[in-house]
Amino acid sequence: EAQVTQNPRYLITVTGKKLTVTCSQNMNHEYMSWYRQDPGLGLRQIYYSMNVEVTDKGDVPEGYKVSRKEKRNFPLILESPSPNQTSLYFCASSLEVGETQYFGPGTRLLVL
Amino acid sequence: EDQVTQSPEALRLQEGESSSLNCSYTVSGLRGLFWYRQDPGKGPEFLFTLYSAGEEKEKERLKATLTKKESFLHITAPKPEDSATYLCAVQAWAGGYNKLIFGAGTRLAVHP
Repeated sequence: EAQVTQNPRYLITVTGKKLTVTCSQNMNHEYMSWYRQDPGLGLRQIYYSMNVEVTDKGDVPEGYKVSRKEKRNFPLILESPSPNQTSLYFCASSLEVGETQYFGPGTRLLVL
Repeated sequence: EDQVTQSPEALRLQEGESSSLNCSYTVSGLRGLFWYRQDPGKGPEFLFTLYSAGEEKEKERLKATLTKKESFLHITAPKPEDSATYLCAVQAWAGGYNKLIFGAGTRLAVHP
């Protein structure tokens, strides 16, 4: 089944404790992206990756890192999480930039 | 500034009562407009892509249309299972790269 998977689905952590949210797609997509969704603000892009060689910041990159060492995986790293990073996070992928993006099931993060 | 605005914020319908959701946008270089459906706690599910003014797409009880400044999602004779948040997103060339800009969504509740 073609899909985008994320792990973990739910995470409670404390301020300053490094964490990684994994994202994997099995559709051989070039483009991958991370979003956060907050009430009233819609989905906002954190980082995106055009392909394994190109990764760049989106609208709200502060406090986040990503890596794209292989085509299928695009982990999101929070080096020192803070309470304002409490949110619902989605990974998405598309065949190429500008094509329809397909979303993962989401990761709900609570930072205490 | 590139912006996507959805209205109404929330909509309550009786089963069978047709209505329309609006998505208005101001972007400098439209590359496509996307509609997604999102159920609580899940990732957005792709519905339609529209590329040019006058284009229409249909799927079951849903029909999406596009003009130069807005898009409508028409829901004909809705059923309770159509209850969800509907998201509009615009693919635009902004800030030197291709960017997907989301509206805040319309929460639709269809009651029997």
